[in-house]
Amino acid sequence: QTVVTQEPSLTVSPGGTVTLSCAASSGVVTSDFFPNWFQQKPGQAPRPLIYSTTNKHSWTPDRFSGSLLGDKAALTLSGAQPDDEADYYCLLYFGGSRVFGGGTKLTVL
Amino acid sequence: QVQLQESGPGLVRPSQTLSLTCSVSGDSLTSGSSYWSWIRQPAGKGLEWIGRSHFSGSTSSNPSLKSRVTISLDTSKNQFSLKLNSVTAADTAVYYCAREFEGRDSNGYSAVLTDYWGQGVLVAVSS
Repeated sequence: QTVVTQEPSLTVSPGGTVTLSCAASSGVVTSDFFPNWFQQKPGQAPRPLIYSTTNKHSWTPDRFSGSLLGDKAALTLSGAQPDDEADYYCLLYFGGSRVFGGGTKLTVL
Repeated sequence: QVQLQESGPGLVRPSQTLSLTCSVSGDSLTSGSSYWSWIRQPAGKGLEWIGRSHFSGSTSSNPSLKSRVTISLDTSKNQFSLKLNSVTAADTAVYYCAREFEGRDSNGYSAVLTDYWGQGVLVAVSS
């Protein structure tokens, strides 16, 4: 089964910009894998942020954006706020199967 | 507004079967574009996709769990369920149900999104 890899942890300064990545052991991540991104805070269910690479949900703050960068999917946070400190997970869709990345713990400091 | 709510025992004995139900409101299990999923998260660890089911009968599950997983839909109650048999302590986790939706984005391209989640239920496997 494909392994999906994310940075274990990242730190961003308030107001700064950070990019989280999502790589697949099977090779290049493309839009055909419909990358989804989720934010999770302690004790809460994951909150969807981005779907199908670049699309935002109606509740997604404008400072979050999704893209493909090189051979990976990416989530960029521009203008980080203290409230953005959380775990972030990507999800890739492989035909009938789905695989989550291991998650990135984002610290805003 | 789509809402999902998990329910079921919080404690399961080793080797027994874990059974959970997800009640859905705001969408129909017979919606052709919706797939009904289970996801779990052990304490302090990441998310693990368990599987999904569609009212057509189409199902798929994580290869690492496939032989132990059954996901079924009760369209009369608008609920779907998870059964995981032969459980061990490694199956202790928060279990989430979620909707996966297949449609089009604003540009008309195919889109797949896991957009609505339940709040999660903790299931412990212990004697």
